[in-house]
Amino acid sequence: DTAVSQTPKYLVTQMGNDKSIKCEQNLGHDTMYWYKQDSKKFLKIMFSYNNKELIINETVPNRFSPKSPDKAHLNLHINSLELGDSAVYFCASSHRGAYEQYFGPGTRLTVT
Amino acid sequence: DAKTTQPPSMDCAEGRAANLPCNHSTISGNEYVYWYRQIHSQGPQYIIHGLKNNETNEMASLIITEDRKSSTLILPHATLRDTAVYYCIVRLGAAGNKLTFGGGTRVLVKP
Repeated sequence: DTAVSQTPKYLVTQMGNDKSIKCEQNLGHDTMYWYKQDSKKFLKIMFSYNNKELIINETVPNRFSPKSPDKAHLNLHINSLELGDSAVYFCASSHRGAYEQYFGPGTRLTVT
Repeated sequence: DAKTTQPPSMDCAEGRAANLPCNHSTISGNEYVYWYRQIHSQGPQYIIHGLKNNETNEMASLIITEDRKSSTLILPHATLRDTAVYYCIVRLGAAGNKLTFGGGTRVLVKP
């Protein structure tokens, strides 16, 4: 069973559209994250949620809105997509304060 | 979080030990050293972490200098599947959840 799963794996869309990426973890963790990896391969934290509460928001445009319906899910909704949003988005989870984070396989978003 | 410096790339022969250096001269007393790796087209994977003492697990060993300003990740018997980008990260252990990734070291294991 996949510990951290993301859907879809690939997403191609046009500028201006709204899209969502879903993330689910079956590890019983209480903290989930979204990271963005740009074309230069740098991985940067975007958001972190603990028990459905937002605890990290790293100066991400408000077009990005994470939603955590329960502890096992953290979805990422993006409004008015721009070319610069093209990247690979990784979801991760952990126990809060734990040493190890578990990452999903990533969602490659391409905005045309 | 303290900044880390790693060589951009290195090659390693299959079956030999791979020694990956990391400098973190501004590390503070309560910051841990973490290592993650990212195999092509996959999410990052935790390898090991340490505070002061050397650490070993089934994947690797972590050697931290006495002054804690640098560390070395050792893959004892590198295989082709160890080809990946390896990230050295310094952060607070018990508080602060985010991982701050740098450029990492691209390791190519050759047959």
